[in-house]
Amino acid sequence: AQRVTQPEKLLSVFKGAPVELKCNYSYSGSPELFWYVQYSRQRLQLLLRHISRESIKGFTADLNKGETSFHLKKPFAQEEDSAMYYCALSGTGNTPLVFGKGTRLSVIA
Amino acid sequence: GAGVSQSPSNKVTEKGKDVELRCDPISGHTALYWYRQSLGQGLEFLIYFQGNSAPDKSGLPSDRFSAERTGGSVSTLTIQRTQQEDSAVYLCASSLLGQPQHFGDGTRLSIL
Repeated sequence: AQRVTQPEKLLSVFKGAPVELKCNYSYSGSPELFWYVQYSRQRLQLLLRHISRESIKGFTADLNKGETSFHLKKPFAQEEDSAMYYCALSGTGNTPLVFGKGTRLSVIA
Repeated sequence: GAGVSQSPSNKVTEKGKDVELRCDPISGHTALYWYRQSLGQGLEFLIYFQGNSAPDKSGLPSDRFSAERTGGSVSTLTIQRTQQEDSAVYLCASSLLGQPQHFGDGTRLSIL
């Protein structure tokens, strides 16, 4: 079965502290992994995808196939990073996304 | 327009009524998806269109839910005989082949 698990509903960190949002997945085959973010009163938007291997807004995520994880990391959190973060997976091609339940990140000044 | 457009942004209706939700995808995007976001359930897939056909309807929760897409563009999600458990935010997304999905703002549906 396809499943995405985000174990933390809420994560609070101080500004300047490192952030790690956890994501584990279950999938038969080779999935594509994504992180989507939803800022307050804005639409859901793509933050990054594993195949592009790029850093967006200082965030990175490495796909660990052995641990079936795709954790999102940032070395120094900023207040504007406060948002809802969703980890998601899909198969190849135009297949629907399977989302985790999301983690709300709160960065405290 | 520049992004996925959904209407109405909010809909309040009485239990038992039918509702129609509309999605205008990004121009040229062949794939269109409907998801539902409800408290405690997170984001759930409903149905996916490639062009005007729907190869995956596996997420529709009951036969009260249906969707169509015409001209490879606009899509309508219809919920018949609404129930209180249908209250949620309904999200539409579109994409090019093999590319990430772009989401609309959603329609917040409240069933009284």
